[in-house]
Amino acid sequence: EAAVTQSPRNKVAVTGGKVTLSCNQTNNHNNMYWYRQDTGHGLRLIHYSYGAGSTEKGDIPDGYKASRPSQENFSLILELATPSQTSVYFCASGDEPINQDTQYFGPGTRLLVL
Amino acid sequence: QQNVQQSPESLIVPEGARTSLNCTFSDSASQYFWWYRQHSGKAPKALMSIFSNGEKEEGRFTIHLNKASLHFSLHIRDSQPSDSALYLCAVNTGNYKYVFGAGTRLKVIA
Repeated sequence: EAAVTQSPRNKVAVTGGKVTLSCNQTNNHNNMYWYRQDTGHGLRLIHYSYGAGSTEKGDIPDGYKASRPSQENFSLILELATPSQTSVYFCASGDEPINQDTQYFGPGTRLLVL
Repeated sequence: QQNVQQSPESLIVPEGARTSLNCTFSDSASQYFWWYRQHSGKAPKALMSIFSNGEKEEGRFTIHLNKASLHFSLHIRDSQPSDSALYLCAVNTGNYKYVFGAGTRLKVIA
């Protein structure tokens, strides 16, 4: 089974501060995704990547940047954190073919922005 | 913009019951469909997927897809307390973007 890890697992940040959430996968999947999960909304796609060096906007990219420096690592960056970004963030990776890939999720990062 | 709705929002069933969860989608171009299960405080984990109209069975779980009705469902036979979780449906229209429903919270009581 795919192994996806996230760090940190919990984070408290101040409004206006910079936050970086990290994700690592060890199964050589090309596709990686960042979601946030809020009650009543399910999982919403923030950014995704189809390989090292690529990042694409998902459905709710405003206020977030992403970085995919290598096959294994995919980061989500909040340059100026706001309380509305308080949420649980999940990273996922997927195997090809891209449109049919089952996604393997990391354990999540709980972010609180004060 | 794809709209994915799940029903019911929550469900309580006795152990051994048959449970049915529903998912409707708005984009008729949708091609690929999944059910994920998320136990409390854990990561979502894929249960089953279906890519063509019809039915697919894996153990106690059966998935039905009717693209013309913009509807797919998950049925659990002989529900167990360990099935208690949040169930998420997901739809892909053939690009990189997956849209998830808000989930159905299932509780199976012994």
